Amino acid sequence: QKEVEQNSGPLSVPEGAIASLNCTYSDRGSQSFFWYRQYSGKSPELIMFIYSNGDKEDGRFTAQLNKASQYVSLLIRDSQPSDSATYLCAVNGLRTYKYIFGTGTRLKVLA
Amino acid sequence: DGGITQSPKYLFRKEGQNVTLSCEQNLNHDAMYWYRQDPGQGLRLIYYSQIVNDFQKGDIAEGYSVSREKKESFPLTVTSAQKNPTAFYLCASNQGREETQYFGPGTRLLVL
Repeated sequence: QKEVEQNSGPLSVPEGAIASLNCTYSDRGSQSFFWYRQYSGKSPELIMFIYSNGDKEDGRFTAQLNKASQYVSLLIRDSQPSDSATYLCAVNGLRTYKYIFGTGTRLKVLA
Repeated sequence: DGGITQSPKYLFRKEGQNVTLSCEQNLNHDAMYWYRQDPGQGLRLIYYSQIVNDFQKGDIAEGYSVSREKKESFPLTVTSAQKNPTAFYLCASNQGREETQYFGPGTRLLVL
């Protein structure tokens, strides 16, 4: 079992729809959870981070964390073609400097 | 402007050659990291450093070496022992454990 798992996609959604991206992790001691967006040929850029169970909203983005079920998700409302990218989930464990990344989900927003 | 710079943007390596990738940050972050990304793949950790003059191997350290003589600098050397070095190399930093990591623009290494 991979430490951080994401569906590779592509996930295709029409413009204006809600895109839902999911990530599961294996280490129950994980404390910090991050979503990055990566455009082709570019470096990852932070979208959101979440530390506590529940929802965290920032503009069109909502991160959801459920530590009991070991999953974290990212919702993108009113999806735009410019949101088309690969979304990486990253997890940081307790008392460690190491971050574990999933392989990413490719999102395609169709105009 | 605070941030992370990596140079060069593209690097070409000849057979048997060692090459060094530069990473500099002015964010005053303690921790720095090197990752390798292959096409369609996630990020794999090569080396990381929590403080100056200290660093630890990541998951794929063989064929690579690093140094951390200054807080703001963490160069990565790809040695001739790394037989398949073609990849996108990303440098990152963060202030402490569990803090957000920020990435540099990356260096793409190609083999001639």
